[in-house]
Amino acid sequence: GAGVSQTPSNKVTEKGKYVELRCDPISGHTALYWYRQSLGQGPEFLIYFQGTGAADDSGLPNDRFFAVRPEGSVSTLKIQRTERGDSAVYLCASSVDRADTQYFGPGTRLTVL
Amino acid sequence: AQSVTQPDIHITVSEGASLELRCNYSYGATPYLFWYVQSPGQGLQLLLKYFSGDTLVQGIKGFEAEFKRSQSSFNLRKPSVHWSDAAEYFCAVGAGYNTDKLIFGTGTRLQVFP
Repeated sequence: GAGVSQTPSNKVTEKGKYVELRCDPISGHTALYWYRQSLGQGPEFLIYFQGTGAADDSGLPNDRFFAVRPEGSVSTLKIQRTERGDSAVYLCASSVDRADTQYFGPGTRLTVL
Repeated sequence: AQSVTQPDIHITVSEGASLELRCNYSYGATPYLFWYVQSPGQGLQLLLKYFSGDTLVQGIKGFEAEFKRSQSSFNLRKPSVHWSDAAEYFCAVGAGYNTDKLIFGTGTRLQVFP
């Protein structure tokens, strides 16, 4: 079946602009995760959804970052007033339920000029 | 705080040689441990995981890993490396409630020479 998909695959924006990154999880997966991977680093946890609610958003770096999952399926990561330091690959993962294996999407590469 | 250390940034091996990638973790309770592989332009793919039970875990693509509590280690091994194994390998520990939140190491880049 289809895996986790993320759009766009690449996003180039200017400093100060607003961006939205989309994640389509595997059908039926109730848990959804966002991670950020900077160059030369491992993925860093941002936020985790169980159903529609954010169960843990402790990894969001500041209030410019926000994520939603209004119907318990697709999720959008929103970044306001982007900064050059936000440039990274943003990874989404989903799992059948919490404590199950996380399956990752290919990521969205965000470049802030 | 939980953390994962992968001491080797870059490893080069010849095709057919054996491989061991090191991983050390810091976690207060019984850890849930994972190895993922990331090829260029690809998402992270799970190789294997340890939750409990037998400390020697078999994974896909001929990989195995051994959990050693006394050494806080979860090293990844393969007896004979193939050129297609060249990729970035990440060790991770599940934090929070079970595996809600994965904490990754910085990765080891594997290069394979023919």
